[in-house]
Amino acid sequence: AQSVAQPEDQVNVAEGNPLTVKCTYSVSGNPYLFWYVQYPNRGLQFLLKYITGDNLVKGSYGFEAEFNKSQTSFHLKKPSALVSDSALYFCAVRDGYKLSFGAGTTVTVRA
Amino acid sequence: EAQVTQNPRYLITVTGKKLTVTCSQNMNHEYMSWYRQDPGLGLRQIYYSMNVEVTDKGDVPEGYKVSRKEKRNFPLILESPSPNQTSLYFCASSLLAGGSYEQYFGPGTRLTVT
Repeated sequence: AQSVAQPEDQVNVAEGNPLTVKCTYSVSGNPYLFWYVQYPNRGLQFLLKYITGDNLVKGSYGFEAEFNKSQTSFHLKKPSALVSDSALYFCAVRDGYKLSFGAGTTVTVRA
Repeated sequence: EAQVTQNPRYLITVTGKKLTVTCSQNMNHEYMSWYRQDPGLGLRQIYYSMNVEVTDKGDVPEGYKVSRKEKRNFPLILESPSPNQTSLYFCASSLLAGGSYEQYFGPGTRLTVT
């Protein structure tokens, strides 16, 4: 069975500083990995995905993620955080037709 | 506009009273899924459907039913709701072609069972 771990419940950064949200995964086959973002009182929005190819994946709103097979990680990154990036972030892994999400990481970017 | 819609958005009900939450998508997606979101637990998949008349259990199917009689609709049915089903529910859809399953989410339905 597949699973996802987001080891940090909260991440706090100052605006303009780099932002990293951590994710590790466990899956039996090839990993299909995703990041989603949830703004307050909204549904989830797709940010980016890793299916195959380059280990550095670029997505929406200036976010990118680095796939590391040996460490089974898929950390989300943004070089310079904005206050508007404050939200709840979810990592997810697909195994067959099933999707598993992590518990989520709340990101707060202070001005 | 491409979208996933859910109704109702908010629902307060009593234990044992059957209810249905509707979900509809206008993107001709094959794949549809229901999730519940609970604090500290993230999203957990309840049921999913790969196409019309094809459904399967996710991680937390107990107490829920689904049906997929039309490609665009995927209702979630709670035959006898209980307080532990109080949660925020999301419907999502995606294409199957390409294999990525990038999900489009509805706005959510907040259910309270008393």
